[in-house]
Amino acid sequence: AQSVTQPDIHITVSEGASLELRCNYSYGATPYLFWYVQSPGQGLQLLLKYFSGDTLVQGIKGFEAEFKRSQSSFNLRKPSVHWSDAAEYFCAVAGSYIPTFGRGTSLIVHP
Amino acid sequence: EAQVTQNPRYLITVTGKKLTVTCSQNMNHEYMSWYRQDPGLGLRQIYYSMNVEVTDKGDVPEGYKVSRKEKRNFPLILESPSPNQTSLYFCASSLSGDQPQHFGDGTRLSIL
Repeated sequence: AQSVTQPDIHITVSEGASLELRCNYSYGATPYLFWYVQSPGQGLQLLLKYFSGDTLVQGIKGFEAEFKRSQSSFNLRKPSVHWSDAAEYFCAVAGSYIPTFGRGTSLIVHP
Repeated sequence: EAQVTQNPRYLITVTGKKLTVTCSQNMNHEYMSWYRQDPGLGLRQIYYSMNVEVTDKGDVPEGYKVSRKEKRNFPLILESPSPNQTSLYFCASSLSGDQPQHFGDGTRLSIL
């Protein structure tokens, strides 16, 4: 069975600081991996995806993520956080045609 | 505009009164699913459908029903709602289950 772990429930950063959100997955083969963002009162929006190829993927809003097979990780990064990035972030894996989501990480941005 | 539309957005009702949350997508997607979101538990899948007339249980199907008579619609039915079904519900669609999903804006249900 596939699973996703987001070890950080909350992350607090200052505006302009760098960000890394952690995601670890469990799946027997090469998975399809996703990061989604949920702003307050809205549905989830896709930030980026990894299917194959280059392990560093670029997404929208200046986000990127790196797939590391040896660590079963797909961490999300942004070099400089903006106040508008405050939201809930979900990592997801889809290795068996049915996606599984992590429990989410809430990002708090201090001015 | 590509979108997934859920209705209603908000609903307060009482225990035992049947309700239906509608979901419609205009992207001709094969795969549709329902999730509930609860604090600290993330998104949990209730039911999914890989195509018309094909539905299957997700992780938390108890107390819910779905149907997929047309490709674009995937209603969620609560035959006898109970307070533990108070939650935020999302409908999503995609080309297939392993592709990026498009989410609706959510339906907040309160069962008193």
